[in-house]
Amino acid sequence: NAGVTQTPKFQVLKTGQSMTLQCAQDMNHEYMSWYRQDPGMGLRLIHYSVGAGITDQGEVPNGYNVSRSTTEDFPLRLLSAAPSQTSVYFCASSYDHVETQYFGPGTRLLVL
Amino acid sequence: DQQVKQNSPSLSVQEGRISILNCDYTNSMFDYFLWYKKYPAEGPTFLISISSIKDKNEDGRFTVFLNKSAKHLSLHIVPSQPGDSAVYFCAASGIQGAQKLVFGQGTRLTINP
Repeated sequence: NAGVTQTPKFQVLKTGQSMTLQCAQDMNHEYMSWYRQDPGMGLRLIHYSVGAGITDQGEVPNGYNVSRSTTEDFPLRLLSAAPSQTSVYFCASSYDHVETQYFGPGTRLLVL
Repeated sequence: DQQVKQNSPSLSVQEGRISILNCDYTNSMFDYFLWYKKYPAEGPTFLISISSIKDKNEDGRFTVFLNKSAKHLSLHIVPSQPGDSAVYFCAASGIQGAQKLVFGQGTRLTINP
Protein backbone atom coordinates (compact mmCIF):
# COMPACT_ATOMS: atom_id res chain seq x y z
CA ASN A 1 0.00 0.00 0.00
CA ALA A 2 1.93 3.04 -1.27
CA GLY A 3 -0.63 5.62 -0.10
CA VAL A 4 -0.50 8.88 -2.07
CA THR A 5 2.37 9.20 -4.52
CA GLN A 6 3.46 12.29 -6.42
CA THR A 7 5.85 12.69 -9.33
CA PRO A 8 8.15 14.38 -9.97
CA LYS A 9 9.69 15.38 -6.62
CA PHE A 10 11.31 18.45 -8.11
CA GLN A 11 10.93 20.27 -11.42
CA VAL A 12 12.39 23.40 -13.02
CA LEU A 13 10.38 25.05 -15.79
CA LYS A 14 10.84 28.08 -17.97
CA THR A 15 8.07 30.65 -18.20
CA GLY A 16 5.47 29.52 -20.74
CA GLN A 17 6.29 25.83 -20.59
CA SER A 18 3.62 23.31 -19.76
CA MET A 19 3.77 20.28 -17.54
CA THR A 20 1.65 17.81 -15.61
CA LEU A 21 2.12 16.99 -11.95
CA GLN A 22 1.10 13.41 -11.31
CA CYS A 23 -0.80 12.16 -8.29
CA ALA A 24 -1.95 8.61 -7.62
CA GLN A 25 -3.45 6.81 -4.65
CA ASP A 26 -4.06 3.11 -4.09
CA MET A 27 -6.52 3.37 -1.20
CA ASN A 28 -9.67 3.52 -3.38
CA HIS A 29 -10.41 7.00 -2.06
CA GLU A 30 -13.17 8.97 -3.74
CA TYR A 31 -11.97 12.41 -2.73
CA MET A 32 -8.76 13.93 -4.05
CA SER A 33 -7.39 17.46 -3.82
CA TRP A 34 -4.47 19.61 -4.91
CA TYR A 35 -2.94 22.26 -2.67
CA ARG A 36 -0.06 24.66 -3.04
CA GLN A 37 2.10 25.78 -0.14
CA ASP A 38 3.81 29.16 -0.20
CA PRO A 39 5.86 30.83 2.55
CA GLY A 40 3.62 32.65 5.00
CA MET A 41 0.45 31.45 3.24
CA GLY A 42 -0.13 27.96 4.55
CA LEU A 43 -1.73 25.50 2.12
CA ARG A 44 -4.30 26.74 -0.37
CA LEU A 45 -6.73 24.53 -2.26
CA ILE A 46 -6.34 24.62 -6.05
CA HIS A 47 -8.83 22.00 -7.33
CA TYR A 48 -10.59 19.02 -5.88
CA SER A 49 -12.57 15.99 -7.01
CA VAL A 50 -15.32 14.05 -5.25
CA GLY A 51 -15.11 11.10 -7.63
CA ALA A 52 -14.15 10.00 -11.13
CA GLY A 53 -15.44 12.47 -13.70
CA ILE A 54 -16.23 15.18 -11.13
CA THR A 55 -13.94 18.12 -10.38
CA ASP A 56 -14.41 21.57 -8.90
CA GLN A 57 -12.39 24.70 -8.21
CA GLY A 58 -10.80 25.57 -4.92
CA GLU A 59 -9.45 28.86 -3.63
CA VAL A 60 -6.70 29.46 -6.24
CA PRO A 61 -7.65 27.61 -9.49
CA ASN A 62 -6.38 30.09 -12.09
CA GLY A 63 -3.60 28.74 -14.30
CA TYR A 64 -4.32 25.11 -13.44
CA ASN A 65 -6.43 22.38 -15.01
CA VAL A 66 -7.43 19.01 -13.62
CA SER A 67 -9.29 15.93 -14.76
CA ARG A 68 -10.30 12.71 -12.99
CA SER A 69 -10.74 9.86 -15.43
CA THR A 70 -10.03 7.15 -12.85
CA THR A 71 -10.44 6.82 -9.09
CA GLU A 72 -6.69 6.37 -8.65
CA ASP A 73 -5.26 9.33 -10.58
CA PHE A 74 -5.70 13.09 -10.31
CA PRO A 75 -3.16 14.96 -12.47
CA LEU A 76 -2.64 18.72 -12.23
CA ARG A 77 -1.78 20.53 -15.47
CA LEU A 78 0.01 23.83 -15.87
CA LEU A 79 -0.69 24.97 -19.42
CA SER A 80 1.67 27.96 -19.45
CA ALA A 81 3.86 28.19 -16.38
CA ALA A 82 4.45 31.54 -14.69
CA PRO A 83 6.97 32.50 -11.97
CA SER A 84 4.00 33.03 -9.60
CA GLN A 85 3.41 29.28 -9.79
CA THR A 86 6.72 28.56 -8.09
CA SER A 87 5.59 26.63 -5.05
CA VAL A 88 5.37 23.26 -3.36
CA TYR A 89 2.38 21.26 -4.53
CA PHE A 90 0.64 18.65 -2.42
CA CYS A 91 -1.92 16.12 -3.49
CA ALA A 92 -4.28 14.61 -0.91
CA SER A 93 -6.96 11.96 -0.85
CA SER A 94 -9.65 10.82 1.55
CA TYR A 95 -12.31 8.14 1.76
CA ASP A 96 -15.15 10.29 2.92
CA HIS A 97 -14.79 13.40 5.06
CA VAL A 98 -12.08 15.94 4.71
CA GLU A 99 -10.52 15.26 8.08
CA THR A 100 -9.17 11.93 6.95
CA GLN A 101 -7.09 13.38 4.13
CA TYR A 102 -3.77 11.68 3.41
CA PHE A 103 -1.16 13.89 1.80
CA GLY A 104 1.53 12.95 -0.68
CA PRO A 105 5.17 13.98 -0.19
CA GLY A 106 4.87 17.02 -2.45
CA THR A 107 6.35 18.31 -5.71
CA ARG A 108 8.65 21.32 -5.54
CA LEU A 109 8.24 23.45 -8.68
CA LEU A 110 10.50 26.30 -9.73
CA VAL A 111 9.44 28.48 -12.67
CA LEU A 112 12.16 30.72 -14.07
CA ASP B 1 -8.55 37.78 3.50
CA GLN B 2 -7.00 35.16 5.75
CA GLN B 3 -9.93 33.27 7.30
CA VAL B 4 -7.70 31.09 9.48
CA LYS B 5 -4.76 32.75 11.19
CA GLN B 6 -1.82 31.46 13.16
CA ASN B 7 -0.16 34.60 14.43
CA SER B 8 2.97 32.97 15.82
CA PRO B 9 5.34 31.89 13.03
CA SER B 10 7.53 30.06 15.51
CA LEU B 11 7.56 28.69 19.06
CA SER B 12 10.40 27.27 21.13
CA VAL B 13 9.68 25.02 24.13
CA GLN B 14 11.84 23.01 26.47
CA GLU B 15 11.52 19.23 26.36
CA GLY B 16 9.01 17.97 28.93
CA ARG B 17 7.12 21.26 29.16
CA ILE B 18 3.76 22.14 27.60
CA SER B 19 3.56 23.47 24.05
CA ILE B 20 0.55 25.65 23.22
CA LEU B 21 -0.16 26.53 19.62
CA ASN B 22 -2.90 29.01 18.83
CA CYS B 23 -5.23 29.58 15.90
CA ASP B 24 -7.96 32.16 15.20
CA TYR B 25 -10.66 32.09 12.58
CA THR B 26 -13.10 34.64 11.21
CA ASN B 27 -15.74 32.58 9.38
CA SER B 28 -18.57 31.57 11.71
CA MET B 29 -19.67 28.93 9.16
CA PHE B 30 -16.69 26.74 9.96
CA ASP B 31 -17.86 23.68 11.87
CA TYR B 32 -14.87 21.36 11.90
CA PHE B 33 -11.32 22.16 12.90
CA LEU B 34 -8.15 20.16 12.43
CA TRP B 35 -4.46 20.25 13.24
CA TYR B 36 -1.86 18.87 10.87
CA LYS B 37 1.82 18.28 11.55
CA LYS B 38 4.45 18.61 8.86
CA TYR B 39 8.08 17.54 8.80
CA PRO B 40 10.50 18.94 6.19
CA ALA B 41 10.23 17.34 2.72
CA GLU B 42 7.10 15.42 3.73
CA GLY B 43 3.39 16.01 3.31
CA PRO B 44 1.24 17.11 6.25
CA THR B 45 -0.15 14.38 8.48
CA PHE B 46 -3.42 14.58 10.36
CA LEU B 47 -2.98 15.03 14.10
CA ILE B 48 -6.27 15.77 15.84
CA SER B 49 -9.62 17.37 15.10
CA ILE B 50 -12.62 18.84 16.86
CA SER B 51 -16.22 19.43 15.87
CA SER B 52 -17.91 22.73 16.65
CA ILE B 53 -20.33 20.95 18.98
CA LYS B 54 -17.44 20.18 21.35
CA ASP B 55 -15.05 22.39 23.25
CA LYS B 56 -12.30 19.85 23.91
CA ASN B 57 -10.87 16.73 22.32
CA GLU B 58 -7.99 14.65 23.67
CA ASP B 59 -5.74 12.10 22.05
CA GLY B 60 -2.84 10.99 24.18
CA ARG B 61 -0.42 13.90 24.64
CA PHE B 62 -2.46 16.13 22.31
CA THR B 63 -5.51 18.16 23.32
CA VAL B 64 -7.39 20.64 21.18
CA PHE B 65 -9.58 23.32 22.76
CA LEU B 66 -12.24 25.26 20.90
CA ASN B 67 -13.69 28.59 22.05
CA LYS B 68 -16.48 29.36 19.58
CA SER B 69 -17.42 32.72 21.06
CA ALA B 70 -13.83 33.91 20.63
CA LYS B 71 -13.37 32.04 17.33
CA HIS B 72 -10.19 30.59 18.76
CA LEU B 73 -8.68 27.16 19.04
CA SER B 74 -5.51 25.89 20.58
CA LEU B 75 -3.42 22.74 20.52
CA HIS B 76 -1.73 21.62 23.74
CA ILE B 77 1.10 19.09 23.69
CA VAL B 78 2.05 17.65 27.07
CA PRO B 79 4.79 16.66 27.65
CA SER B 80 6.64 18.02 24.64
CA GLN B 81 9.17 15.68 23.03
CA PRO B 82 11.99 16.33 20.52
CA GLY B 83 10.04 14.43 17.84
CA ASP B 84 7.30 17.04 18.13
CA SER B 85 9.55 19.58 16.41
CA ALA B 86 7.70 20.32 13.17
CA VAL B 87 5.44 22.85 11.50
CA TYR B 88 1.86 22.71 12.76
CA PHE B 89 -1.03 23.84 10.60
CA CYS B 90 -4.47 24.69 11.84
CA ALA B 91 -7.28 24.07 9.32
CA ALA B 92 -11.04 24.52 9.16
CA SER B 93 -13.91 23.28 7.05
CA GLY B 94 -17.54 24.28 6.77
CA ILE B 95 -20.84 22.60 5.96
CA GLN B 96 -20.98 24.03 2.46
CA GLY B 97 -17.60 22.68 1.44
CA ALA B 98 -16.93 19.46 3.22
CA GLN B 99 -13.93 18.80 1.05
CA LYS B 100 -12.61 22.33 1.23
CA LEU B 101 -10.04 22.88 3.93
CA VAL B 102 -8.82 26.38 4.77
CA PHE B 103 -5.37 26.37 6.35
CA GLY B 104 -3.55 28.78 8.59
CA GLN B 105 -0.02 29.90 7.83
CA GLY B 106 1.60 27.39 10.15
CA THR B 107 3.68 27.60 13.34
CA ARG B 108 7.17 26.10 13.52
CA LEU B 109 7.56 24.35 16.87
CA THR B 110 11.05 23.61 18.14
CA ILE B 111 11.51 21.42 21.21
CA ASN B 112 14.82 22.04 22.93
CA PRO B 113 16.52 19.28 24.97
